Amino acid sequence: DQQVKQNSPSLSVQEGRISILNCDYTNSMFDYFLWYKKYPAEGPTFLISISSIKDKNEDGRFTVFLNKSAKHLSLHIVPSQPGDSAVYFCAASVSGFGNEKLTFGTGTRLTIIP
Amino acid sequence: DADVTQTPRNRITKTGKRIMLECSQTKGHDRMYWYRQDPGLGLRLIYYSFDVKDINKGEISDGYSVSRQAQAKFSLSLESAIPNQTALYFCATSDPRQATGDTQYFGPGTRLTVL
Repeated sequence: DQQVKQNSPSLSVQEGRISILNCDYTNSMFDYFLWYKKYPAEGPTFLISISSIKDKNEDGRFTVFLNKSAKHLSLHIVPSQPGDSAVYFCAASVSGFGNEKLTFGTGTRLTIIP
Repeated sequence: DADVTQTPRNRITKTGKRIMLECSQTKGHDRMYWYRQDPGLGLRLIYYSFDVKDINKGEISDGYSVSRQAQAKFSLSLESAIPNQTALYFCATSDPRQATGDTQYFGPGTRLTVL
């Protein structure tokens, strides 16, 4: 049972345009969401997160949107740059002391075309 | 220097062999985790430890064991490796005392191949 789903295995975007990566979840107990970026031969690196008390969080070129009613979140990257080419994982958790476990999606490979 | 290190980075072994993957961290975090990544399946949790005396099974712990030797060290063992344990293995840490306590920080990974 995949509780966190990334239905697009891959996405190609022109440099300078907006990249939109999507993630859906089924567990209504999830209240904290994260995006990780992974380059080949490296571990995932934390990119941005959002708590369920917010519907938007922004950090530079990266913005995460959360739609709790739809159980959907998205990561917007604008403008997209060649260095953004990587695999992006969405993750979710039930916050609270002792609950620090993440459930990951299957990842979306983003390719930025120069 | 990297905050979370894993050794070895690559390992090829044979079916039935015992393998240990090691993870060390200098972040001072209490929480440590082991994941495996398979193509098309994302990262799946094998074991996690909230402190030196605490070990918990994740969603795919069968065939694996762990040891938390110190706050900074968390080892994953495959007692008798089998080919379907061929995967990328990642160690991660977190600190619940931080404002973003659920954020985990990953090591560079170990690529394990079981022939």
